[in-house]
Amino acid sequence: NAGVTQTPKFQVLKTGQSMTLQCAQDMNHEYMSWYRQDPGMGLRLIHYSVGAGITDQGEVPNGYNVSRSTTEDFPLRLLSAAPSQTSVYFCASSGLTDTQYFGPGTRLTVL
Amino acid sequence: QQQVKQSPQSLIVQKGGISIINCAYENTAFDYFPWYQQFPGKGPALLIAIRPDVSEKKEGRFTISFNKSAKQFSLHIMDSQPGDSATYFCAASKSIGNQFYFGTGTSLTVIP
Repeated sequence: NAGVTQTPKFQVLKTGQSMTLQCAQDMNHEYMSWYRQDPGMGLRLIHYSVGAGITDQGEVPNGYNVSRSTTEDFPLRLLSAAPSQTSVYFCASSGLTDTQYFGPGTRLTVL
Repeated sequence: QQQVKQSPQSLIVQKGGISIINCAYENTAFDYFPWYQQFPGKGPALLIAIRPDVSEKKEGRFTISFNKSAKQFSLHIMDSQPGDSATYFCAASKSIGNQFYFGTGTSLTVIP
């Protein structure tokens, strides 16, 4: 039982490049979320999903896309990277008990 | 607009002392209030959580105090240890929809 896994752990992009951050969970959780963590701002919700095929926007969705084709996977796509997207990204999942389990994070730098 | 406000931003406590972190919220629809602990380079991990039907919850050295009328809740760490040095986040959510809103975090340092 690996919990929530994220790849890659580190990534450096140039402005305008696109990429996908991968997130997978093996706990059969319905709910999955993406957050970004910036100094002094805590964790801010980017997008979330309440089940396969269902996604919705969080507090800071601009510049990001998500899809949920399976229960296990919830990738986050950066369409055209900007320096303002330099951050640490966390994926989380939860089941019916409300407890959110976080992945180890992806540290992204956009030059 | 910050849905959950957290203070202080940083806290230094002597070993054996009590660490207190406070949070406040506005949305009365919130019905679940967890605290997360995060060590450097790691993802946040659930520490303790409370629902508004109780005013206090204790797990070992960690206690949540909840004041529904004031819309405030706090984390107390008794007998603080150097191993407790971490960043702590409060959060709030509505069970329906499962969206979590986090405070800005408190960096706790416990000095020996």
